[in-house]
Amino acid sequence: QQQVKQSPQSLIVQKGGISIINCAYENTAFDYFPWYQQFPGKGPALLIAIRPDVSEKKEGRFTISFNKSAKQFSLHIMDSQPGDSATYFCAARDPGSGIQGAQKLVFGQGTRLTINP
Amino acid sequence: EPEVTQTPSHQVTQMGQEVILRCVPISNHLYFYWYRQILGQKVEFLVSFYNNEISEKSEIFDDQFSVERPDGSNFTLKIRSTKLEDSAMYFCASRPLRNQVYGYTFGSGTRLTVV
Repeated sequence: QQQVKQSPQSLIVQKGGISIINCAYENTAFDYFPWYQQFPGKGPALLIAIRPDVSEKKEGRFTISFNKSAKQFSLHIMDSQPGDSATYFCAARDPGSGIQGAQKLVFGQGTRLTINP
Repeated sequence: EPEVTQTPSHQVTQMGQEVILRCVPISNHLYFYWYRQILGQKVEFLVSFYNNEISEKSEIFDDQFSVERPDGSNFTLKIRSTKLEDSAMYFCASRPLRNQVYGYTFGSGTRLTVV
């Protein structure tokens, strides 16, 4: 129930194309769904996040689509560029219990995205 | 922009030895975390720390692990007797307030290699 399932494992897209990464979850207690971008040797960096009461959020070329009833969400990268080549992780925030809830993040398996020039 | 700083960036240790991984969270942050990432796998939660005590820990965080905030600025992860399977990237993270996911910041990690 704590899992977040992510697909595909790897993705190759031509420059200018649309990259789409999908995630699914089971735990309805999750209260926030961020996407992280990770370059080799670096820590995950927050890209964009969405609340479960919102169906879509757009920031520049990055869009999250969220389907609460299906418990699925996806990241769309429009006009993909070689600099977008990285590993992308979806995540879900588990608020925890009590006023000092841990708010740990549960990560998907990651998608290695390669944008060909 | 404020950063979470981790040292060392890479540590090689013999199996059975103790290691201490160090982190300096962002100064006004109140919640601190350790996550780990085995090579090529997902990032996994280890432990969260608030108000000088552990607020939650995962099954991975067994008696070999401990965390400490020794001096009000550093946040450390100690592995008492390292095993080969402890080889991973260890990420420290911190965040300021209860509901700010945008403040959740990760460090660049310490690559721990146990030989």
